[in-house]
Amino acid sequence: SYELTQPLSVSVALGQTARITCGENNIGTKNVHWYQQKPGQAPVLVINGDTNRPSGIPERFSGSNSGNTATLTISRAQAGDEADYYCQVWDSSTVVFGGGTKLTVL
Amino acid sequence: EVQLVESGGGLVKPGGSLRLSCAASGFTFSRNSMNWVRQAPGKGLEWVSFISSGTSYIYYADSVKGRFTISRDNAKNSLYLQMNSLRAEDTGVYYCARGGSGSSKSAFDIWGQGTMVTVSS
Repeated sequence: SYELTQPLSVSVALGQTARITCGENNIGTKNVHWYQQKPGQAPVLVINGDTNRPSGIPERFSGSNSGNTATLTISRAQAGDEADYYCQVWDSSTVVFGGGTKLTVL
Repeated sequence: EVQLVESGGGLVKPGGSLRLSCAASGFTFSRNSMNWVRQAPGKGLEWVSFISSGTSYIYYADSVKGRFTISRDNAKNSLYLQMNSLRAEDTGVYYCARGGSGSSKSAFDIWGQGTMVTVSS
């Protein structure tokens, strides 16, 4: 079965760049989507189809996907970016979410 | 305003049944596929089920296949999840989430606030 591997946690200093990875064999052949979830809230789509930012998502959020790794990059990290982040793909007729990464802004 | 509002959650005994509803507004509901996604307490997201805009395509996670049934009423702008033979591991917040147009396999761009389901004796 298809499994997406994310680091449990990532820390970043305020104003610096955070990178959250999502790994699986040949993930570069799939469309990867990223969600941000803050405590007690519903997830929010932040990157659609590897690299596309939905309306209202700051330009500081970007995505890439190649080979065996997709990456969510958050530039100039802010305190408000602290959240859990999940990657997601479609594998045939099944939706797969990564296990989630807790981002801490120091 | 584009909105999804879930309802129908609650406390149910193991082996029991529950029907969740999701009311959509602010967009043409009949054009989009819809999904249910759940989250156990303190855990990550788990996709549950998908239904295409015209109900031609329906998919389930292996963990709920044969026990849960997804359906929709485009005339009422509503999505449903009938949950039978509930187990303790079905406990969690259930979200409805909007997918792409038709039967496309795309991202979930709109989410409801969720409804809590607790399966316990």
